[in-house]
Amino acid sequence: DAMVIQNPRYQVTQFGKPVTLSCSQTLNHNVMYWYQQKSSQAPKLLFHYYDKDFNNEADTPDNFQSRRPNTSFCFLDIRSPGLGDAAMYLCATSSGLAATYEQYFGPGTRLTVT
Amino acid sequence: AQSVTQLDSQVPVFEEAPVELRCNYSSSVSVYLFWYVQYPNQGLQLLLKYLSGSTLVKGINGFEAEFNKSQTSFHLRKPSVHISDTAEYFCAVSEIGAAGNKLTFGGGTRVLVKP
Repeated sequence: DAMVIQNPRYQVTQFGKPVTLSCSQTLNHNVMYWYQQKSSQAPKLLFHYYDKDFNNEADTPDNFQSRRPNTSFCFLDIRSPGLGDAAMYLCATSSGLAATYEQYFGPGTRLTVT
Repeated sequence: AQSVTQLDSQVPVFEEAPVELRCNYSSSVSVYLFWYVQYPNQGLQLLLKYLSGSTLVKGINGFEAEFNKSQTSFHLRKPSVHISDTAEYFCAVSEIGAAGNKLTFGGGTRVLVKP
């Protein structure tokens, strides 16, 4: 089945130690998104790629970076995680076409910062 | 800019009873509307969407929603819930024509189905 895969599902990192979260997709979608979701809150968009074009949300901290080396993969890098960065990180994809506007979400990576 | 308000943060409901989750939105342009469900420690799954056409939209797992343009609402309903419907439900909108199909989410409604 075509899907969005996130690895790892659970990640523990130390305060200030860089961490990378991974997302891959078999849907061949043009658009990939990264969301941060804190407990009992709605997902908050951090940034998205339309093909190779990177689009950062205005309020995304500089501590968060992303890479998309090819269509299938997208990475979220947190350069110096703080305690406030503990959250669920969701990757999503979209075809980018108006006729199929929905986003497809991966299962998420839960990040713990110690 | 658009915003989404889910009027109930939590909805307790007994098994086999009906449920309605309310969603209102605000936008200066036309939007597409979505309902997603999130089970514990999982990603979001699309329940249904309104793009155009009939204002009554049927989705998966017996859910349906009605788009009301004059009231800027998109309420979600299910006539008879199951224990397995216990989850968080998010209403979301996307501006038609906006680059990247970005979604704006409501705050979520937690549904707890009781036996």
